[in-house]
Amino acid sequence: GAGVSQSPSNKVTEKGKDVELRCDPISGHTALYWYRQSLGQGLEFLIYFQGNSAPDKSGLPSDRFSAERTGGSVSTLTIQRTQQEDSAVYLCASSLEVWRQETQYFGPGTRLLVL
Amino acid sequence: KQEVTQIPAALSVPEGENLVLNCSFTDSAIYNLQWFRQDPGKGLTSLLLIQSSQREQTSGRLNASLDKSSGRSTLYIAASQPGDSATYLCAVITSNAGKSTFGDGTTLTVKP
Repeated sequence: GAGVSQSPSNKVTEKGKDVELRCDPISGHTALYWYRQSLGQGLEFLIYFQGNSAPDKSGLPSDRFSAERTGGSVSTLTIQRTQQEDSAVYLCASSLEVWRQETQYFGPGTRLLVL
Repeated sequence: KQEVTQIPAALSVPEGENLVLNCSFTDSAIYNLQWFRQDPGKGLTSLLLIQSSQREQTSGRLNASLDKSSGRSTLYIAASQPGDSATYLCAVITSNAGKSTFGDGTTLTVKP
């Protein structure tokens, strides 16, 4: 595709519900990254994928967060039993390959509001 | 643990002025440093990427420099325009490949 796309663009959910956020990277990009941007805060690194593999999951805030990537393309970030503090903008980025330290291209983000 | 600081947090300048945004990081073992801009309600747009072996990068009115030994980068914007108004973020990729640490950003307002 022309750029990184994310869906949904906005999500309002009730506390305790599960949500799934989707990221579709730029075609041919093997590296994919998830970040979280809370109101008034900087970007917080969550996880990255090289292909379908996620070597470092230490950035995930809790065990309620999980991410997967299949087929080396689309990735989903799942938040189980959402809490109000999960409200944030979740940003996805992709780059050619992690090891080449290429420019990261960001999607527009998913704005999550947990009531 | 890598920490990235951006100063100032906010900056307001009249149109046409040249300005410098600052970024400092605590761990000099970086792979690269990237400058982004973020418009309200939007994602991030990459402006410049400086590899750790480079000293600077230029794109149009933008010039970014990197001094790894002192843990500093600057983004120079020449002849600022109202369209430059945005939040500017710097990010470093550390030795842990793929893991980026972002500063909190500098919010720039360029007044016509």
